[in-house]
This record gives sequence, C-alpha cells and structure tokens, in this order.
Amino acid sequence: EPEVTQTPSHQVTQMGQEVILRCVPISNHLYFYWYRQILGQKVEFLVSFYNNEISEKSEIFDDQFSVERPDGSNFTLKIRSTKLEDSAMYFCASHPRQGARNEQFFGPGTRLTVL
Amino acid sequence: GEDVEQSLFLSVREGDSSVINCTYTDSSSTYLYWYKQEPGAGLQLLTYIFSNMDMKQDQRLTVLLNKKDKHLSLRIADTQTGDSAIYFCAESMTGGGNKLTFGTGTQLKVEL
Repeated sequence: EPEVTQTPSHQVTQMGQEVILRCVPISNHLYFYWYRQILGQKVEFLVSFYNNEISEKSEIFDDQFSVERPDGSNFTLKIRSTKLEDSAMYFCASHPRQGARNEQFFGPGTRLTVL
Repeated sequence: GEDVEQSLFLSVREGDSSVINCTYTDSSSTYLYWYKQEPGAGLQLLTYIFSNMDMKQDQRLTVLLNKKDKHLSLRIADTQTGDSAIYFCAESMTGGGNKLTFGTGTQLKVEL
C-alpha cells in the first residue's frame, strides 16, 4: 500500500542553523501539507500546497519557513534559522484530489531537536 | 477561530468499551475525523463522519455526532491492549487543500 515517507526520522541541529525536512508524498496525490506537534501538545497546521504554490498557511509559518516541491516526488520544508521553540515533530501529509472527504495521509514524522 | 477539545486521559480494562469525546466550535465543519497515534509513529486515520450524519459504524468503531451540541465521540467496542494510543479528533471543510484542525488528543490506556 502506498505511503508517505519522511527523512530523516530525527534531526538534531544547533540554534540558528538551517534545516530541510524531506517528504515523499503518495504519487498522484495533488495536495501536500506540513503539520507540527510540539511534545505533549496539539498537532498544528503549518502550510498547505497545491499546484506548485502555497494555498494556506498558519501564523506559525512565518518568513523563516518555506516549502518547495523541487521535482515530481519530493516536498520539502525549510527552516532558515532554527530557534529552540522549533523543536517538534514535523508531519507531512498528502491528499489525492479535489472534493472528496479531505482524507489526508500522514508520514511517520521527523523529530527536530534544536539545541 | 476553530477550536477542538478533548479530555486528556482515559483508562479502561481489556474487553470493555472505550468512549472518547471531543467538542468543536466551528459550525461550518463538514468532515470530522478520528486519528490514532501510536508511540513514535505517525497519524493513522481510523474513521471519519460527514456532518449530515449522526452515526457511523465501522467494525469495532462507532462514531456519534451531535451537530447541535458540536460533540463528537468515538466508541471502541471490546477494547484491546493494541488499542492503547493517543486518539485525536480533527475537523475540516470539505475538499482538498483544507487544513485539518486537531484536538488536544486523548491518551487511551488499556489495562489487563
């Protein structure tokens, strides 16, 4: 069964460094998302992406964050200058098409630790 | 804005039924979902309900929706130790591209 994959599973970085989190959505899916979950807290929406552009973003997704679909398979989240409070689990998700029930398929997550 | 709330913990004995509750504020929500998160794993969609439905049954899972009170529940019949996980309710508008708004999550512990 096709699934969303994410790499790395765990990333440790120093404050102020740039990180890129990678996702491979399910092929032929059209909508892509990033969510994050700070330890012990809710899963929070960051950004949605469709047709090579951002369709919606949350207040969390400030100008330190960017997303890209550099080729036909990868979907990346870049944090330019990481802060301690960026430490969280980051989940990528994808959805197949318009209409339907917005069933989003989630990857296993990347745990980001900022020291 | 949207807000989704759940109780934090639930403990049940193996074989009993579990009922996990959720309240939401956005009356324009069209789909409501239950996701399961096992330790160290991602989010697995368990079931969903469309907002014009009151109930949906899927094997051991029963979802009840009270749209007037904006209350959603998930009943797990014959709860097993493998059901121990965090359960998140979530809501969204219909269609692709719409974000999911998640609840706080309920940690279900199943004891022998």
